[in-house]
Amino acid sequence: GIQVEQSPPDLILQEGANSTLRCNFSDSVNNLQWFHQNPWGQLINLFYIPSGTKQNGRLSATTVATERYSLLYISSSQTTDSGVYFCAVERYLSGGSNYKLTFGKGTLLTVNP
Amino acid sequence: EAGVTQSPTHLIKTRGQQATLRCSPISGHTSVYWYQQALGLGLQFLLWYDEGEERNRGNFPPRFSGRQFPNYSSELNVNALELEDSALYLCASSLGGYHGELFFGEGSRLTVL
Repeated sequence: GIQVEQSPPDLILQEGANSTLRCNFSDSVNNLQWFHQNPWGQLINLFYIPSGTKQNGRLSATTVATERYSLLYISSSQTTDSGVYFCAVERYLSGGSNYKLTFGKGTLLTVNP
Repeated sequence: EAGVTQSPTHLIKTRGQQATLRCSPISGHTSVYWYQQALGLGLQFLLWYDEGEERNRGNFPPRFSGRQFPNYSSELNVNALELEDSALYLCASSLGGYHGELFFGEGSRLTVL
């Protein structure tokens, strides 16, 4: 199956700093999502971005599908940005039903005041 | 609009018992997915239901089963509980088929003693 690698595994920042999280995947994908897992375990949707660039406030994401990677940018980080960031990808076969959104292991972000 | 809702929030069982977890998708969504997040193991795909049928299954033993009801809600049953079944169980929904963005509920935390 498709492999998803996220880097770095851990990241510690001071409040106000910027950061870039990376997601590499091993095959072409039809779906790519970024999530933030809050301290209570819920996965919060950040971006649905199989290709292109999107921005939402201080966060933005870029997926270069042809080169099989996606980047999540966090600018002017805040303590509330702390948590685990997951990238998840899907590759489905035409006419098949073998759907599976595959998650990376995540990046644990800690933003200190 | 209500998001994905899961119940119970927490569940404590003993080895050998059965656990039932429930999920209500976002209104209009026909696909429901179940994921297991055990400590140190990341998010593992369990089951996908669409239009009342099981469409795909992850690498879990048969004692993990479920169903989807006519109103698209779903339940996950875990029989003959083992200690390693202790995990956060996350349910997600999407518009259905192979496409689209997944939205997750807050999860049900199962503890097996």
